[in-house]
Amino acid sequence: QQQVKQSPQSLIVQKGGISIINCAYENTAFDYFPWYQQFPGKGPALLIAIRPDVSEKKEGRFTISFNKSAKQFSLHIMDSQPGDSATYFCAASYTGRRALTFGSGTRLQVQP
Amino acid sequence: NAGVTQTPKFQVLKTGQSMTLQCAQDMNHNSMYWYRQDPGMGLRLIYYSASEGTTDKGEVPNGYNVSRLNKREFSLRLESAAPSQTSVYFCASSDFGGSNQPQHFGDGTRLSIL
Repeated sequence: QQQVKQSPQSLIVQKGGISIINCAYENTAFDYFPWYQQFPGKGPALLIAIRPDVSEKKEGRFTISFNKSAKQFSLHIMDSQPGDSATYFCAASYTGRRALTFGSGTRLQVQP
Repeated sequence: NAGVTQTPKFQVLKTGQSMTLQCAQDMNHNSMYWYRQDPGMGLRLIYYSASEGTTDKGEVPNGYNVSRLNKREFSLRLESAAPSQTSVYFCASSDFGGSNQPQHFGDGTRLSIL
């Protein structure tokens, strides 16, 4: 019930296109859903996060869409740029839990 | 501001050797974490420390021990390294330890066990 399933495993997008990464969860107690971005040789860094009381959150070119009934959430990267090429992890947690459960990661490559 | 600093960055061990991975944060955070990252498996929690003086097991604690030396430092020890522990290890910290607090990660220790 702690698992978070992420897809696709890898994604190639042309510059200017939209990148979409999906995650699904089982544990209905989860109430915090962050996305982390990781560049090669670096640790993950928080990109954007959402709580289930809203269906969408946008920060610049990055948007999280959340579907509580389907227990799914996704990251949309609009106008994708080569600098967005990185590995993206979705994660989930719930109030009172000290740590995050991560998805398996999506390696995004944006071609110029 | 250095954030979260991990040492060493790379290490090669032989099976059965012991080693301690060091982690220090300068953000005055209460909570600290150790994760391992393996291809196709995301990051999995090994141990965490909600506050100074406390430690708890995570998802994959077997073969590891931790010490919360003080508020700044949280070390991970492999007593008898095994090839299955070849991985990239990340330390992270967060404020208050609540589920909505962003975790700040170090740049990892790449550990190979032969």
